[in-house]
Amino acid sequence: AQSVAQPEDQVNVAEGNPLTVKCTYSVSGNPYLFWYVQYPNRGLQFLLKYITGDNLVKGSYGFEAEFNKSQTSFHLKKPSALVSDSALYFCAVRVDQAGTALIFGKGTTLSVSS
Amino acid sequence: DAGVIQSPRHEVTEMGQEVTLRCKPISGHDYLFWYRQTMMRGLELLIYFNNNVPIDDSGMPEDRFSAKMPNASFSTLKIQPSEPRDSAVYFCASSRRTGLNEQFFGPGTRLTVL
Repeated sequence: AQSVAQPEDQVNVAEGNPLTVKCTYSVSGNPYLFWYVQYPNRGLQFLLKYITGDNLVKGSYGFEAEFNKSQTSFHLKKPSALVSDSALYFCAVRVDQAGTALIFGKGTTLSVSS
Repeated sequence: DAGVIQSPRHEVTEMGQEVTLRCKPISGHDYLFWYRQTMMRGLELLIYFNNNVPIDDSGMPEDRFSAKMPNASFSTLKIQPSEPRDSAVYFCASSRRTGLNEQFFGPGTRLTVL
């Protein structure tokens, strides 16, 4: 079965420090991986995706993610965190090749302190 | 573009009542998704449509839930009768069928069943 796991419910970092939000996946076949962000009382917003090609993917708001096939991971990173990055972050994996359904992880709350 | 539009934004109802949630996808998008978000279960896919046709409704929790998409610009999610455990935030999302598979989420409907 296809699945995605976010092992940390919450990540706390100080403003200006690098941040990492972890994601691991389990799929049969080639994975298609995504990161979304949710601000309070808002819907999810797309950040970035990995389909194929370069293992380092760059996305919105200075975020990037590294695809690691051997470790089945797709961690979200940012070199210097901002207080405004505080939000709920979701990793997702695409389920089937023909359709577009996604399976989401449970989410990780990122808290950036000033 | 106005983005994905959902109504109402908040709904409070009593157990046993019928609830109808509405969604207008982004024009030109041919996939529409309904999700439910709770603290306990995270973000769950309920059902999705392609070109107004339901493709996968395996996430619909039980027969009390039904969804329709009578045309490309409108979809409804109905709960009849509603129960307190249906209390959640319900999101609608839409996407264009391309290799990018980015889903655009609406602001959600917060449903409270008393």
